[in-house]
Amino acid sequence: GAVVSQHPSRVICKSGTSVKIECRSLDFQATTMFWYRQFPKQSLMLMATSNEGSKATYEQGVEKDKFLINHASLTLSTLTVTSAHPEDSSFYICSARAPGHFIYEQYFGPGTRLTVT
Amino acid sequence: GDSVTQMEGPVTLSEEAFLTINCTYTATGYPSLFWYVQYPGEGLQLLLKATKADDKGSNKGFEATYRKETTSFHLEKGSVQVSDSAVYFCALSSGAGSYQLTFGKGTKLSVIP
Repeated sequence: GAVVSQHPSRVICKSGTSVKIECRSLDFQATTMFWYRQFPKQSLMLMATSNEGSKATYEQGVEKDKFLINHASLTLSTLTVTSAHPEDSSFYICSARAPGHFIYEQYFGPGTRLTVT
Repeated sequence: GDSVTQMEGPVTLSEEAFLTINCTYTATGYPSLFWYVQYPGEGLQLLLKATKADDKGSNKGFEATYRKETTSFHLEKGSVQVSDSAVYFCALSSGAGSYQLTFGKGTKLSVIP
């Protein structure tokens, strides 16, 4: 149980276009999901916390107009990178808290590799 | 604020060697501590956790003990395998209503036959 999927696993887009990444909880309802960004050989940086039915809470320094997060249902959160630029190229990982599990534990998706050319 | 410091890698070991990856933390209150593993090209998987002082988390031959007096949560395995090659992240959640995880920078482990 507590499986999180992401789609797509890899995406290449041209500079100036927008890209949407989906994060789904497959076998549980996730009231809270998290979006992370990971640079090569570095740790995960929390970008935002997403609660179902409300606006996401962004970490300091993360542009909310550039990284649009929508958590419209209990099983789906989306991250849209708007007007992408090469510096947005990164590995994006989502995670979710699962009801009934240890409240401070998160289950992670497999990640999405974004390359902006 | 909360922080996690773990030994920098990369670490290269021969198969069946003993593994220790050091992790120390700074946090207010009584955090929960985690070790996550990331295999190449994949997301993170929870390896083990400990929720209070002196707890020992264990899984797949890996162990870590929550040491409040030394604010440490070192990861150990008695005999590593090639399949253990991955990046290991130490993390904490400080609790008190915050569900955020604070991660260390990760330690890359390579096990050679």
